[in-house]
Amino acid sequence: DAKTTQPTSMDCAEGRAANLPCNHSTISGNEYVYWYRQIHSQGPQYIIHGLKNNETNEMASLIITEDRKSSTLILPHATLRDTAVYYCIVRVADDKIIFGKGTRLHILP
Amino acid sequence: DTEVTQTPKHLVMGMTNKKSLKCEQHMGHRAMYWYKQKAKKPPELMFVYSYEKLSINESVPSRFSPECPNSSLLNLHLHALQPEDSALYLCASSQDYATGELFFGEGSRLTVL
Repeated sequence: DAKTTQPTSMDCAEGRAANLPCNHSTISGNEYVYWYRQIHSQGPQYIIHGLKNNETNEMASLIITEDRKSSTLILPHATLRDTAVYYCIVRVADDKIIFGKGTRLHILP
Repeated sequence: DTEVTQTPKHLVMGMTNKKSLKCEQHMGHRAMYWYKQKAKKPPELMFVYSYEKLSINESVPSRFSPECPNSSLLNLHLHALQPEDSALYLCASSQDYATGELFFGEGSRLTVL
């Protein structure tokens, strides 16, 4: 069974914030939430990860709900280069990185 | 240097051929991975090496044979493949297996005729 549920696809206008949701209702206390993306014809790229607190880096912000059952990846100012498949993954340390189906994000000019 | 380099980028082989895919990183990472990705599907984990020892084999058929000659190199030897093995093969590395931040190469696209 998949540990995460993501929408199949989403659209976002260029320059706007892209908010990508992920449900992980069965997450356990020691599982981290990771986000990767895969731009067409490239290998996946690590974006960000978190456990309980919200996290921000130069690429994105990760908002995790207080009950940890869902999270949102935020790309603050989406560009056409952000068009990609975005994968939400839950994982304990020392465990495999297993990719689910992901969300195909289209940035519209 | 934050790159994982994979060669060749494209490979076409017959079912009786023997070929190898190569992967190299110079980030001092001690965990290396092979993933397989079919068109419009997510990457699937095949093998994990940790400190140059095979730690995970996801029940991959023996026609795929991984090798880690040293901490910077990872090979995938291919023999007697089937057309359904045609896919993008992705190599990745991480500081160690506990770290979930994987660095991926751009992949080797394999076609089996």
